[in-house]
Amino acid sequence: EAQVTQNPRYLITVTGKKLTVTCSQNMNHEYMSWYRQDPGLGLRQIYYSMNVEVTDKGDVPEGYKVSRKEKRNFPLILESPSPNQTSLYFCASRKGQNTGELFFGEGSRLTVL
Amino acid sequence: GQQLNQSPQSMFIQEGEDVSMNCTSSSIFNTWLWYKQDPGEGPVLLIALYKAGELTSNGRLTAQFGITRKDSFLNISASIPSDVGIYFCAGKFTSGTYKYIFGTGTRLKVLA
Repeated sequence: EAQVTQNPRYLITVTGKKLTVTCSQNMNHEYMSWYRQDPGLGLRQIYYSMNVEVTDKGDVPEGYKVSRKEKRNFPLILESPSPNQTSLYFCASRKGQNTGELFFGEGSRLTVL
Repeated sequence: GQQLNQSPQSMFIQEGEDVSMNCTSSSIFNTWLWYKQDPGEGPVLLIALYKAGELTSNGRLTAQFGITRKDSFLNISASIPSDVGIYFCAGKFTSGTYKYIFGTGTRLKVLA
């Protein structure tokens, strides 16, 4: 089954404790991206990657890092989480340049105390 | 960051009624996407639009890409209880960028 898989789905952590949210897609998609969803603000792009070893900042990259060492994986790293990073995070992927259709994972709800 | 203006923010309708929602932007897009999000789940793509003026249907859903490329609407005909959820639009900019901008969503509640 074609899918985008995120882990963990739920996480409660404390300020400053590094964490990684993994994202994996099995559709051989070139493009992957991360979003955060907050009430009243909709989905905002954090980082995106057009292909392996190619990443770029979205609208709200502060406090986040990403890497794209393999085509299927695009982890989101919070080096020193803060409470304002409490949010619902989504990973998404897209096949290539000529299609706009984004496919989303099920989301990871992160709470930073 | 940029956002799309999506309206209405929420609506209650009776089962069987038609629903209409829209998104507008000050920017020109080359792609419009419409998604539905159920509680606790990720957004699911409903309709993708690629050309100005394009009108596309998916079952009871119909969406159009505005002529100016700055707006889009989604219609749901003969709503049913399982249509409940949050619907949102997304626009992708033209050339050179791979950024998507999302609307803030329309929360739909269907009364049986």
